[in-house]
Amino acid sequence: NAGVTQTPKFQVLKTGQSMTLQCAQDMNHEYMSWYRQDPGMGLRLIHYSVGAGITDQGEVPNGYNVSRSTTEDFPLRLLSAAPSQTSVYFCASSPRQGDQPQHFGDGTRLSIL
Amino acid sequence: DQQVKQNSPSLSVQEGRISILNCDYTNSMFDYFLWYKKYPAEGPTFLISISSIKDKNEDGRFTVFLNKSAKHLSLHIVPSQPGDSAVYFCAASLMNRDDKIIFGKGTRLHILP
Repeated sequence: NAGVTQTPKFQVLKTGQSMTLQCAQDMNHEYMSWYRQDPGMGLRLIHYSVGAGITDQGEVPNGYNVSRSTTEDFPLRLLSAAPSQTSVYFCASSPRQGDQPQHFGDGTRLSIL
Repeated sequence: DQQVKQNSPSLSVQEGRISILNCDYTNSMFDYFLWYKKYPAEGPTFLISISSIKDKNEDGRFTVFLNKSAKHLSLHIVPSQPGDSAVYFCAASLMNRDDKIIFGKGTRLHILP
């Protein structure tokens, strides 16, 4: 049982480049979310999805896009990377919205030069 | 404006003694509180939670206490073990609203031999 799988684990980008952070879960969870964690900060919600085809913005959505075409996958896209997006990104899932706690992936460490 | 505050960035405790991690919140609407534990290069993992209708919840060596009037909760670990060395995040949310969960900045716990 893999749980929540995030790829890649590390990535270095140049300013202006685009990339997609992948997140997949094999628990048939309806609710999925993306967080970023910056030094000295708690986790902050970027985007979330309550089911396939449904997404919504969290606390810090600017600069990021998401889609949810399947229950399993919830990719996070950076269209034009900026140094301010240097962070560690965590994907999480739970059976349904409101079903705490969430299960987290191991994160993607992203550096934007 | 931090809605969830963990005022101690780090804490060192002798193995076998009690570890007490503290968390304060400002929004009286929060009605569900969680503690997550995080090891380096891994995602947060759920530890223990408490709803606002209770003032104590216990799970093995871990106990969470909630003081609603003071808007304060604490996590007690007894006895502390080397494997407890990690970063602990306090989180507060509205029941059934994962998109409203707010994380504290975390407290790094060092268990000394």
